[in-house]
Amino acid sequence: DAGVTQSPTHLIKTRGQQVTLRCSPKSGHDTVSWYQQALGQGPQFIFQYYEEEERQRGNFPDRFSGHQFPNYSSELNVNALLLGDSALYLCASRRGLDRGTEQYFGPGTRLTVT
Amino acid sequence: GNSVTQMEGPVTLSEEAFLTINCTYTATGYPSLFWYVQYPGEGLQLLLKATKADDKGSNKGFEATYRKETTSFHLEKGSVQVSDSAVYFCALRNTGGFKTIFGAGTRLFVKA
Repeated sequence: DAGVTQSPTHLIKTRGQQVTLRCSPKSGHDTVSWYQQALGQGPQFIFQYYEEEERQRGNFPDRFSGHQFPNYSSELNVNALLLGDSALYLCASRRGLDRGTEQYFGPGTRLTVT
Repeated sequence: GNSVTQMEGPVTLSEEAFLTINCTYTATGYPSLFWYVQYPGEGLQLLLKATKADDKGSNKGFEATYRKETTSFHLEKGSVQVSDSAVYFCALRNTGGFKTIFGAGTRLFVKA
């Protein structure tokens, strides 16, 4: 059983460009969340998708947008990249929305903006 | 708002020493509490969890007890190994279950 997978592993972009990151949840999971982890920091919640809808959003600008597909996979899009967007982007999946359910993380996509 | 505060690192211990990493939280309602571990070059892994007051989560020799009266969830291990060297994150998820809030992480180094 494959866990959470993310692609690509690494990405280098230039300021002002746009990027799309992809995530496939663990089998049986229908809820996907995205996090940004800056170097030396804890992950910061970007948003969560359930039933193809954004359910909650963290303190991130509208340049960050997402989508969830009928097969529960998800994309994170970032427009007009800034140097400060350089970080590890983590996708996490779980089953449902109960506060106690375990969340599984993917290995992340390392984004570098130059 | 909801937040998690954990002790600053790095924490450096010798093999077989006792480990405590402090974690306190601020939250409304009754959050679930988690410890995650991030080994070098790897993603986050759930280490243990507790979903209500006085619950004790445990895994791989690590333990943490949900203390509502002190709003704490300290991580402990009786005898650390070199392989425990990693970054440990305390986290909470509140009623509503939408987002997980993480602490800043505590880096642990264990020397042979």
